[in-house]
Amino acid sequence: ETGVTQTPRHLVMGMTNKKSLKCEQHLGHNAMYWYKQSAKKPLELMFVYSLEERVENNSVPSRFSPECPNSSHLFLHLHTLQPEDSALYLCASSQGLGREGGNIQYFGAGTRLSVL
Amino acid sequence: AQSVTQPDIHITVSEGASLELRCNYSYGATPYLFWYVQSPGQGLQLLLKYFSGDTLVQGIKGFEAEFKRSQSSFNLRKPSVHWSDAAEYFCAVGAGERSYNTDKLIFGTGTRLQVFP
Repeated sequence: ETGVTQTPRHLVMGMTNKKSLKCEQHLGHNAMYWYKQSAKKPLELMFVYSLEERVENNSVPSRFSPECPNSSHLFLHLHTLQPEDSALYLCASSQGLGREGGNIQYFGAGTRLSVL
Repeated sequence: AQSVTQPDIHITVSEGASLELRCNYSYGATPYLFWYVQSPGQGLQLLLKYFSGDTLVQGIKGFEAEFKRSQSSFNLRKPSVHWSDAAEYFCAVGAGERSYNTDKLIFGTGTRLQVFP
């Protein structure tokens, strides 16, 4: 039990579908992150939220749309995806950004996305 | 630019053997370093971290890592591997604009560990 829960665990969608990934953290953290994990590539940071405000958008295409309604929940809305978007999408949370002494990110189990 | 290199894509060891996974980083300031483990179908679990102080750090599950500034390395070790250690291991460096900023993590490509009985 990591304290970060992602749903669904698996998702198959067509290129014209709209779907959403959900992440919930039970750790009382103030920062949340979306990462993309593709085979044979390092984890790619997509978005960072701090206290529900987006502070990082790592050149992610607009077909990925994040939403952070409160510090415990983070969504990734997906529309008109491409097959190359198939990957494991990981959510993480941390106590807060810019903490002197260091910051530790805690990860969820991920959503395995397949785009057909 | 900051980067992390894990030169070994795949390592196979026998159960009970010792293990060393290599990690080299490129970062101008004092690095904050992490090792994470990912079991099949799971997210990343933090094994250990180095922020400052003693360069030999202890982690969970009997793992340790040593920070060597002169070699820009942070290798992960375990004296005796168990079959349950089979997983993928990721080294990461915390990188940000301020010296204490670990908000961004730069990951290596990972090392897959296979353990034979």
